[in-house]
Amino acid sequence: DAGITQSPRHKVTETGTPVTLRCHQTENHRYMYWYRQDPGHGLRLIHYSYGVKDTDKGEVSDGYSVSRSKTEDFLLTLESATSSQTSVYFCAISAPGIRGSYEQYFGPGTRLTVT
Amino acid sequence: SQQGEEDPQALSIQEGENATMNCSYKTSINNLQWYRQNSGRGLVHLILIRSNEREKHSGRLRVTLDTSKKSSSLLITASRAADTASYFCARDAGNMLTFGGGTRLMVKP
Repeated sequence: DAGITQSPRHKVTETGTPVTLRCHQTENHRYMYWYRQDPGHGLRLIHYSYGVKDTDKGEVSDGYSVSRSKTEDFLLTLESATSSQTSVYFCAISAPGIRGSYEQYFGPGTRLTVT
Repeated sequence: SQQGEEDPQALSIQEGENATMNCSYKTSINNLQWYRQNSGRGLVHLILIRSNEREKHSGRLRVTLDTSKKSSSLLITASRAADTASYFCARDAGNMLTFGGGTRLMVKP
């Protein structure tokens, strides 16, 4: 898992409550990503970060915010969870592979259920 | 929307047979990557092919890329039950990857 952990691994929450998911890496990689995975949609990028306090939106960013105050931590927040945000969330880092091209390494995922 | 679309969506074969999965994309790429996901786990990088390459091999994996057709294929030879997983292609657009919906491969012993 390239030193990537996610917490919590499972969470059930009620509609309208705030939720924060944490991604932690141990190898000081610059780029970090949050994806959601839903049946029939593969992985879709929510937000990504290219450094401390540097973040940008992905394909499905509405309803989500992120923060990165330290290189090793990338937080994903659902300000007011909705049932449509029930999903499996994956964090990833980007690291150089052979000959300099970048490959992504994924955390184990967080299964979030919004009731 | 997804830039990479895998075909077929699901594939069931017998152990020892070859498995071929295809990926199509819409815009130009720097490279195309293939990932594997076992049930309930995160994705694992398998192989990367650059836009100026046509074929790459890694063990039992062979990837081809046809940029004129905007398509790639992943071939797994002599499949094993342990190859059962979902396989995703991902288009590299600089610092982001855009994933397709995946092919679910089942290899029956």
